[in-house]
Parts: sequence; C-alpha cells; structure tokens
Amino acid sequence: DGGITQSPKYLFRKEGQNVTLSCEQNLNHDAMYWYRQDPGQGLRLIYYSQIVNDFQKGDIAEGYSVSREKKESFPLTVTSAQKNPTAFYLCASRYRDNQPQHFGDGTRLSIL
Amino acid sequence: QKEVEQNSGPLSVPEGAIASLNCTYSDRGSQSFFWYRQYSGKSPELIMFIYSNGDKEDGRFTAQLNKASQYVSLLIRDSQPSDSATYLCAVRSSNYQLIWGAGTKLIIKP
Repeated sequence: DGGITQSPKYLFRKEGQNVTLSCEQNLNHDAMYWYRQDPGQGLRLIYYSQIVNDFQKGDIAEGYSVSREKKESFPLTVTSAQKNPTAFYLCASRYRDNQPQHFGDGTRLSIL
Repeated sequence: QKEVEQNSGPLSVPEGAIASLNCTYSDRGSQSFFWYRQYSGKSPELIMFIYSNGDKEDGRFTAQLNKASQYVSLLIRDSQPSDSATYLCAVRSSNYQLIWGAGTKLIIKP
C-alpha cells in the first residue's frame, strides 16, 4: 500500500535531549513537509523540501533541523534549543506543484 | 502577509441539513484551493480541491469559488454525525506557498 509513514506515534523528550521523528513515503512524491500543530490551532510550517539534498525553512524553523538524503525520507530532529516542543507533528508530501499534500498519521511529542 | 481566514466555530448543523463552510483569502492571484477534514486527534485528510477555473462536486461535497469576493466554500449535503470534525482550508498563493486557515469546527446534531 502506498502512503506516508510517521514513527513513532508517541515520543517523550527529556530536558536537553535531541529527538528525531521519522517520515517515509513510497508515493514517489517530490516534495515533503513538516508541520507543527498545537491544541486547537492550525498548521504551522517548520521545514519543507522540494528535491533531494535541498530544503528550506518554514515559518517556525528555530530549534528544528531536517535532512533529505533520499527522496523517500525526510526526518525531523527536535533539538534541545526548542524550548516548547510539546505538539502534534505532521509530515506531508505532494507529487507536483499544483497537487494536494497528503499527510501521515502524525507523531505526538511530549516533554518528560 | 498573505492570509487565509476561517470562522473557528463551532458551527452546529442538524443531521440531514446542508453545512456551509467558508474560507476567505487575501491573495487575488491564488490558483488552487484545498479542503481537508481533521477528526480530533487525527491527521488531516483531503476532501477535495479546486483550481481557479471552476467548482467541483464529489458525492455529498461541493467546493465553490467566488473569485470576485475572494472566498471558497465547502457545502456538505445531507450532513451526517460522522461529518463532525474540523475543516481546514488551504490556498496556494501566487508565490506557490500553501497558506493554511486555522479551521472551522463542525458539529452535526442527530
């Protein structure tokens, strides 16, 4: 089945720790995105990548980092510099520029 | 700053009635318009999308664009309790950025 897989579903971060959220897609989509959603709020763009080995900052990139070494994979690292990481993290991908984005099931990150 | 605005709701609609959700956008050059449904605790799922050249109907759902007034609507006919969710509008602006609204919470009352 084609789709976008995010793991883990739930993640807990200790003070001062970096954590990495996984996002893999087998849809042959070119572009991939990371969003953050806080309770009762809309989506805020963290980073996006339109091609392999290239990515751009979104609206709230501080405290986060990404890589895009393979077309299928776009992992997000939440660094210790992100002081308020508790949120629902969503990965999305799309095929072409005018096509809709499709989402994975999300990762819920909390602080221990 | 390009913006997309939605009434946060909740919008309460009786079962079987038509639910009408609106989304206004600021960039007159916007070309593509997307509606997503998000159940509580879940990720958004695409319902439908339209381009600036016309409306679209898909089953009980209709998306309509009013370019002159710069808003896009989602109509849900014969509303069901399972339609209760938050509906997110997204608009691709003239500089190819996807701008998201904050969503409208819809409640269908049995």
